Amino acid sequence: DVKVTQSSRYLVKRTGEKVFLECVQDMDHENMFWYRQDPGLGLRLIYFSYDVKMKEKGDIPEGYSVSREKKERFSLILESASTNQTSMYLCASTPHRDGGNTIYFGEGSWLTVV
Amino acid sequence: LAKTTQPISMDSYEGQEVNITCSHNNIATNDYITWYQQFPSQGPRFIIQGYKTKVTNEVASLFIPADRKSSTLSLPRVSLSDTAVYYCLVGDMRGNTGGFKTIFGAGTRLFVKA
Repeated sequence: DVKVTQSSRYLVKRTGEKVFLECVQDMDHENMFWYRQDPGLGLRLIYFSYDVKMKEKGDIPEGYSVSREKKERFSLILESASTNQTSMYLCASTPHRDGGNTIYFGEGSWLTVV
Repeated sequence: LAKTTQPISMDSYEGQEVNITCSHNNIATNDYITWYQQFPSQGPRFIIQGYKTKVTNEVASLFIPADRKSSTLSLPRVSLSDTAVYYCLVGDMRGNTGGFKTIFGAGTRLFVKA
């Protein structure tokens, strides 16, 4: 089975701290994603990457950056955490393939910024 | 990318069949229709995917009319454990160079009662 692993399930950080959320997938997928999920807003795409060292902005990239140095790992970085970044963060991956691909999600990382 | 519209919530009783309809008027020729299920504090997980007509697996059925402007997820004989949020996703899901974006709506919150 495909496994997308997010390193931290629950984090509490202080305003202004730099936060790293790590994600690793074990299926050699080319595409990786970071979403955030907030009540009533569904899933919103922050950034995605379609190859090593490649990244593209999603719908809400402000306040975030990403890093993809290795194919299996996609990191989300909050340079200076703010309280409005308190949310659940979901990492996902999918392969390069025509047709109907399946998106595989991690279990989520709950971040609280105080 | 096709935008989807689903009911915000639905209630059902154990043992009943539940049908959740998703509208996607702007679906493109290459788009597939995929449904995901999400339990609280977990990432979404794949349920079923189709392109046209009917698809059935061990969990659900997916009905897609000829014009493909809508689709219906059918859950037979629901149980309490089917209480979750269900997302309809439409896209070609291809991972060509340049990446792709996916659009998640707010989903349908299904509540199954005893």
